[in-house]
Amino acid sequence: DGGITQSPKYLFRKEGQNVTLSCEQNLNHDAMYWYRQDPGQGLRLIYYSQIVNDFQKGDIAEGYSVSREKKESFPLTVTSAQKNPTAFYLCASSIDSRYHGELFFGEGSRLTVL
Amino acid sequence: SQKIEQNSEALNIQEGKTATLTCNYTNYSPAYLQWYRQDPGRGPVFLLLIRENEKEKRKERLKVTFDTTLKQSLFHITASQPADSATYLCALVAGRRALTFGSGTRLQVQP
Repeated sequence: DGGITQSPKYLFRKEGQNVTLSCEQNLNHDAMYWYRQDPGQGLRLIYYSQIVNDFQKGDIAEGYSVSREKKESFPLTVTSAQKNPTAFYLCASSIDSRYHGELFFGEGSRLTVL
Repeated sequence: SQKIEQNSEALNIQEGKTATLTCNYTNYSPAYLQWYRQDPGRGPVFLLLIRENEKEKRKERLKVTFDTTLKQSLFHITASQPADSATYLCALVAGRRALTFGSGTRLQVQP
């Protein structure tokens, strides 16, 4: 079945460690996105990519990094520079960012920094 | 500053009634507005998209309206069921090529 796969679902890390969250899609979508969700809050955009080898910062990019070397993959690294990394991270894709159509989301990765 | 506002208080209604959720925005001129459903611990799921030149959109028991003068969208679920209990998020696109989301409203449908 086509969809978006995020891994791991749960992740625990010590303060000061970098961690990479995986996001893979087999929908053949051009655009991919990373959002962060904190309890009781909406989704905040971290980074997005409209095409391979290109990505743009969202509203809260500081302390995060991404790469888009393949169309189907958009990993997110949470670096030690991110002040408050404990959150629920959601990856999404869309057919084409210019189309402004629906986003397809993965099931999320919950990161807890101890 | 730009804002998307949804009622942060949970909406509790009886089964069979119509649920109406509100999304207000300021300092945006969105070309599109979308509604998503999110269950606890899961990713959001797309429900409906409405364009700025559309006043109303329907899908089964769902109805969305979009008033660009009032800068407001209303999301209705008719004949609500306990299975409709979830958080509903509105999202819009304006300018930058990525959706901006509201904080969502939790709907609880009592049997």
